[in-house]
Amino acid sequence: KAGVTQTPRYLIKTRGQQVTLSCSPISGHRSVSWYQQTPGQGLQFLFEYFSETQRNKGNFPGRFSGRQFSNSRSEMNVSTLELGDSALYLCASSLAGGTNQPQHFGDGTRLSIL
Amino acid sequence: DAKTTQPPSMDCAEGRAANLPCNHSTISGNEYVYWYRQIHSQGPQYIIHGLKNNETNEMASLIITEDRKSSTLILPHATLRDTAVYYCIVRVFSSGSARQLTFGSGTQLTVLP
Repeated sequence: KAGVTQTPRYLIKTRGQQVTLSCSPISGHRSVSWYQQTPGQGLQFLFEYFSETQRNKGNFPGRFSGRQFSNSRSEMNVSTLELGDSALYLCASSLAGGTNQPQHFGDGTRLSIL
Repeated sequence: DAKTTQPPSMDCAEGRAANLPCNHSTISGNEYVYWYRQIHSQGPQYIIHGLKNNETNEMASLIITEDRKSSTLILPHATLRDTAVYYCIVRVFSSGSARQLTFGSGTQLTVLP
């Protein structure tokens, strides 16, 4: 069974640009969550999608947005990039929200802002 | 979610059992204990989870004390590839939403040859 796939693995952008990251969950998983990981802040929750609806949101500015498609694939968009947005962005999928089933992570997209 | 406390680092000899402790003294009755690990440059990898009974899978065993205030992750025969940061997380479930995971600082396990 294929794991969570994130593309691209690495990305370099400059300040002010925007970026779209993609996540394909494990087959059959309907819940997708996004996290930002930095050395200083650790793992921080961005948002969670289930059945194309955002159900949970972390404390990030509106420049960070996402969506989920009918096949459960998800995209995350960051507009007007800032130097502080440099991070590893992780996507995690699980069967459904509200169960004890674990979230499974992809290997992330490493975003560097110049 | 309850706070967890883990030692910052541990060493283990290759081939020996690695026992990683976690303290979660404020855990409530509906909170599960999860273990993940993260190898440098990779995403966190799910290892195991449990509520109150001991659990075992192909990767590890999870021992939860009877009062549920602490747990131990056991890697029975550690290899060099088990060198990673190990995170213990307690997490409650609310219906209809996957509660986000909150990772603490974890334990850096170094398996020595």
